[in-house]
Amino acid sequence: SYEVTQPPSMSVALGQTATIICGAMNIGSRNVHWYQQKPGQAPVLLIYKDIRRPSGIPERFSGSNSGDTATLTISSAQAGDEGDYYCQLWDSNTASLVFGGGTRLTVL
Amino acid sequence: QMQVVESGGGEVQPGGSLRLSCGASGFSVASHGMHWVRQAPGKGLEWVALIWSDGSNEYYANSVKGRFSISRDISKNMLFLQMNNVRADDTAVYYCLRGIAVPDAFDVWGQGTMVVVSA
Repeated sequence: SYEVTQPPSMSVALGQTATIICGAMNIGSRNVHWYQQKPGQAPVLLIYKDIRRPSGIPERFSGSNSGDTATLTISSAQAGDEGDYYCQLWDSNTASLVFGGGTRLTVL
Repeated sequence: QMQVVESGGGEVQPGGSLRLSCGASGFSVASHGMHWVRQAPGKGLEWVALIWSDGSNEYYANSVKGRFSISRDISKNMLFLQMNNVRADDTAVYYCLRGIAVPDAFDVWGQGTMVVVSA
């Protein structure tokens, strides 16, 4: 199966930039989506197809994808950005959808 | 307003069966790949199954292959997940999701339905 790795947790100072990574072999050749999940709530789509933002998602959230790393960047981090972040892609080799294990973001 | 409402969850004994339902509104289940994704308590997201928009193909996670079956009723605009021979590790909140973009991303999430497998 296609292995996708995310750091389990990270922290960022209030107002600073958080960079959440999703690592996998040649992930840059695939389209990656990102979700935010706050405690007790369903996930929300933040970024799709590497860089696209759904309507209503602030410009503070951006994505990139190249080589073996896809990245979600959160600029000017706010307390309300705390939560779990998941990357997701489709593995055509195994015809299966894959989620990263998730990264819990803490805003200090 | 696009919306999905999952139902049918509950407590079931190991080896038992359960059928989850999902009612969609604001869009047609025949126009999208439709998925089930689950989340065990305190754990991450896990994809379960996909049915193509034309209904011609179904795909399953290895963990549920041979036990779960995804289906839909276009006339009722509903999606289903038949869960057979359930195990304790099937305990999770189950989400019904429509796919957008290629490959599928999930833009509409309901509150899910909780399945507890316990003796």
